[in-house]
Amino acid sequence: GAGVSQSPSNKVTEKGKDVELRCDPISGHTALYWYRQSLGQGLEFLIYFQGNSAPDKSGLPSDRFSAERTGGSVSTLTIQRTQQEDSAVYLCASSLYNEKLFFGSGTQLSVL
Amino acid sequence: EDQVTQSPEALRLQEGESSSLNCSYTVSGLRGLFWYRQDPGKGPEFLFTLYSAGEEKEKERLKATLTKKESFLHITAPKPEDSATYLCAVRLGGGSNYKLTFGKGTLLTVNP
Repeated sequence: GAGVSQSPSNKVTEKGKDVELRCDPISGHTALYWYRQSLGQGLEFLIYFQGNSAPDKSGLPSDRFSAERTGGSVSTLTIQRTQQEDSAVYLCASSLYNEKLFFGSGTQLSVL
Repeated sequence: EDQVTQSPEALRLQEGESSSLNCSYTVSGLRGLFWYRQDPGKGPEFLFTLYSAGEEKEKERLKATLTKKESFLHITAPKPEDSATYLCAVRLGGGSNYKLTFGKGTLLTVNP
């Protein structure tokens, strides 16, 4: 596809369960980002990939959060033992040579 | 302390009533100021990048300007379809020049 694709678009889970969020970046984009957007808050940086490496994981809120990227393409954000405060929209973005970011439509995560 | 502050938080206009949104930043070593538009349920959509004080960019009814401390997004004769949240972000120089730091946004509503 032409844009950044994220799946699922919505995810409802129970507290304590693990979830995986997927991001397919624009083909050829070397940089990939995960952001989190909570109601009334700005976009919160989580992690940055350059190729398959993650030189900046500083935004991950706790060790329950992890992410990987394979083949310089698809990325997965995993949240273990979800908590209610994890409820938010998780946005993925990609860019070429760290220029403007192109965002996906996000995954709305609801933890009950 | 917030590095990027947007005001107002919300703005309601009548169709055709021009106005401006503000984005002030406290960072030094700016390597770009970005404006995005975000519609409900969608990811942010790129509008403009500004790099140096005095720079201006235009797109349809929108014009973005940049000074050393702030940026303005001017909306001329807005239409209801301009209703959205407008996000401002900065890219810093140095070791963090790959990521964008976002403000909380301005929710613009244009009534017919």
